[in-house]
Amino acid sequence: QKEVEQNSGPLSVPEGAIASLNCTYSDRGSQSFFWYRQYSGKSPELIMSIYSNGDKEDGRFTAQLNKASQYVSLLIRDSQPSDSATYLCAVITGGYQKVTFGTGTKLQVIP
Amino acid sequence: KAGVTQTPRYLIKTRGQQVTLSCSPISGHRSVSWYQQTPGQGLQFLFEYFSETQRNKGNFPGRFSGRQFSNSRSEMNVSTLELGDSALYLCASRTEFRGPSGYTFGSGTRLTVV
Repeated sequence: QKEVEQNSGPLSVPEGAIASLNCTYSDRGSQSFFWYRQYSGKSPELIMSIYSNGDKEDGRFTAQLNKASQYVSLLIRDSQPSDSATYLCAVITGGYQKVTFGTGTKLQVIP
Repeated sequence: KAGVTQTPRYLIKTRGQQVTLSCSPISGHRSVSWYQQTPGQGLQFLFEYFSETQRNKGNFPGRFSGRQFSNSRSEMNVSTLELGDSALYLCASRTEFRGPSGYTFGSGTRLTVV
């Protein structure tokens, strides 16, 4: 089992819809969770961080964390074509703060 | 505030050669990590340095090595280059001043081995 799993996609949503991206992790001791956005040919960019169970909202983005079920999700409301990118989930585990990335989900927002 | 700076941006090397990549983290960031990214494999973790000590290490052969200096700048070295080492190498830094934080990535060094 991979430490951090994401559906590779592509996930296609129409413009204006809600895009839902999911990530599961295997280590129950994981402490911190992040979402990165990576445009083609560019570096990953941190867009959300979440540390405790529940929802965290930032503009059109909402991160959701459920430690009991070991999943973290990212919702993008009112999706725009400019949101088309690969979204990477990252998890920090252990005393040495090891960061593990998922393989990413490619999102396509159709105008 | 300056971002993470990686040099050079592009490199072309021949099989068997060695290469050194450089990374200057954001000022105040003591943790520097290196990743290899290829189209088929995604982000592969190489190693992380914190206060000049290697804190975490990925599953790469010993040809890949790194170090961190007292000013937090880091270098990565790949010896005896192979064609399969062609990739985008990303450096990322983070602060842990108030607990775990996310990375800021540099623009990367694109290495081509011919």
